[in-house]
Amino acid sequence: DAGVTQSPTHLIKTRGQQVTLRCSPKSGHDTVSWYQQALGQGPQFIFQYYEEEERQRGNFPDRFSGHQFPNYSSELNVNALLLGDSALYLCASSLGIREQYFGPGTRLTVT
Amino acid sequence: AQKVTQAQTEISVVEKEDVTLDCVYETRDTTYYLFWYKQPPSGELVFLIRRNSFDEQNEISGRYSWNFQKSTSSFNFTITASQVVDSAVYFCALSEANRDDKIIFGKGTRLHILP
Repeated sequence: DAGVTQSPTHLIKTRGQQVTLRCSPKSGHDTVSWYQQALGQGPQFIFQYYEEEERQRGNFPDRFSGHQFPNYSSELNVNALLLGDSALYLCASSLGIREQYFGPGTRLTVT
Repeated sequence: AQKVTQAQTEISVVEKEDVTLDCVYETRDTTYYLFWYKQPPSGELVFLIRRNSFDEQNEISGRYSWNFQKSTSSFNFTITASQVVDSAVYFCALSEANRDDKIIFGKGTRLHILP
């Protein structure tokens, strides 16, 4: 049983560019949440998708957007990248409430 | 507002010693969930435990134990007879019942187990 997978593993982008990160949930899970973890900090909630709609959102600007597909996989898009967007981006999936399983993350570096 | 505080930024202990990681939380809800996650150098968050606010019984799982005290809003984590493989960053986290899975994390405690 595959767990949560994320791609790519690492990514280097330039300021002002756009990036798309991908997440495949654990088999049987229908909810995907995205978190940003800056170096030395705890993960911060970005948003959550359920039934292809954004259900909750944290304190992140509109440059951060997402999508969930009918197969429950999800994408995180960040536009107009800033140096401060450099972080580990974690995806978590769940079925029902509160049993979230995290993926290995995508390390984004903005130069 | 909800908040999780892990006052210990970094702890080092010698292998086989016991170590306790502190966690203090703030919430206005009466129904909430508390978590501990482990993050090894690989980066993946590993789920350790979830407790709901109505269950104050302490829990033990092997060398791990958790002490939940609502009176002091604390949810401390103890590793008994620590091992080098326990070296990681540990996060305490909180989810309020009316927030549909939004998890608020503390800043983490980096634990070094010295051989």
